[in-house]
Amino acid sequence: ILNVEQSPQSLHVQEGDSTNFTCSFPSSNFYALHWYRWETAKSPEALFVMTLNGDEKKKGRISATLNTKEGYSYLYIKGSQPEDSATYLCAPTPNAGGTSYGKLTFGQGTILTVHP
Amino acid sequence: GAVVSQHPSRVICKSGTSVKIECRSLDFQATTMFWYRQFPKQSLMLMATSNEGSKATYEQGVEKDKFLINHASLTLSTLTVTSAHPEDSSFYICSIVQGNTDTQYFGPGTRLTVL
Repeated sequence: ILNVEQSPQSLHVQEGDSTNFTCSFPSSNFYALHWYRWETAKSPEALFVMTLNGDEKKKGRISATLNTKEGYSYLYIKGSQPEDSATYLCAPTPNAGGTSYGKLTFGQGTILTVHP
Repeated sequence: GAVVSQHPSRVICKSGTSVKIECRSLDFQATTMFWYRQFPKQSLMLMATSNEGSKATYEQGVEKDKFLINHASLTLSTLTVTSAHPEDSSFYICSIVQGNTDTQYFGPGTRLTVL
């Protein structure tokens, strides 16, 4: 079982603030790192899948970076809005012969609350 | 992305009864579906991989005789919690993988409370 840690556990910011949080995971046997956003009473929504060291992906005001050698990923939100309030989950997957789908090991998530 | 539904969204049952949870892929034929559960203040944990037309693969520590999985079609997988006990109270959520992207698309989940 992979040890996946996310920090901080929760975060309160004001509308317009930029914020970031961390996902730490074992760097050995790495295949991919997934980020999800999970709003209350909705399905978790896939944000990014990253595989390469140094990868940086962007979706609107949200971006993520990946360091596979040291085993961490950062998620950044620029100019937070109340609708960004959600739990952000990361999940690495291990290498299983070139593919690994299904073996998502989730962190506990970072709960983001953006106050108007 | 794919759209996944679950039914019911919430269920309360008495101890000793069995509960069936359905996971449907509404717009994609999924040969593989996944079942997770989440206990309070814990992370989502993979329970089993459901394969269409064959037996499910269970993660270590998950009792296959207690959590029966049936994946009879490319759009439906069911999870039956047999002889439920209060400790089975949890949030159960399913997902599918679409194509070769490794991205999983989740249903909205089912909250099970066993009295």
